[in-house]
Amino acid sequence: ILNVEQSPQSLHVQEGDSTNFTCSFPSSNFYALHWYRWETAKSPEALFVMTLNGDEKKKGRISATLNTKEGYSYLYIKGSQPEDSATYLCASWATSGTYKYIFGTGTRLKVLA
Amino acid sequence: NAGVMQNPRHLVRRRGQEARLRCSPVKGHSHVYWYRQLPEEGLKFMVYLQKENIIDESGMPKERFSAEFPKEGPSILRIQQVVRGDSAAYFCASSQPGATQYFGPGTRLLVL
Repeated sequence: ILNVEQSPQSLHVQEGDSTNFTCSFPSSNFYALHWYRWETAKSPEALFVMTLNGDEKKKGRISATLNTKEGYSYLYIKGSQPEDSATYLCASWATSGTYKYIFGTGTRLKVLA
Repeated sequence: NAGVMQNPRHLVRRRGQEARLRCSPVKGHSHVYWYRQLPEEGLKFMVYLQKENIIDESGMPKERFSAEFPKEGPSILRIQQVVRGDSAAYFCASSQPGATQYFGPGTRLLVL
């Protein structure tokens, strides 16, 4: 069964704290891993595209790493701010014959002021 | 530089009616995806289409639901004889092959 899993499901942190969460994906026949940010009442927006083992991408205070051999990616937020509150989704192309694009269930982050 | 457009943004239907949801992809994108978000749940994949072709409809209920992406015009998700359980937000996304997806604003369907 092809599955993309994220943990934790939800997270509350204080403003200024740094935090990270995990995305696990099928490592065989890896093609790409994408991170999205999804604010309440809006639609998901792409954050990062990660394709190479060891990739590290950064956008402001948010960064992500990729390990394709073991099938995981970490998303880090440094010095969390209330505006970082959102659901963070990862998605991966995975195959059991034909490629499918599979979203994880997301990590819901709430940053408390 | 228009992104993915969806209409209507809100749709109210009575049980038994039909719902038609439209999605215009980003110009130049040949791949369209439909997702459903049920209350308090994440995104659930429904169907993946290219122009005039359904590539993967494994997430779409076998009955009452259909999708198309014609050569000209928007992609349409059609729900016949809606039931209360169909109430959800329906998101469309488009992409180039293998690339990240650009999401539309969603259509919120409410079935009375």
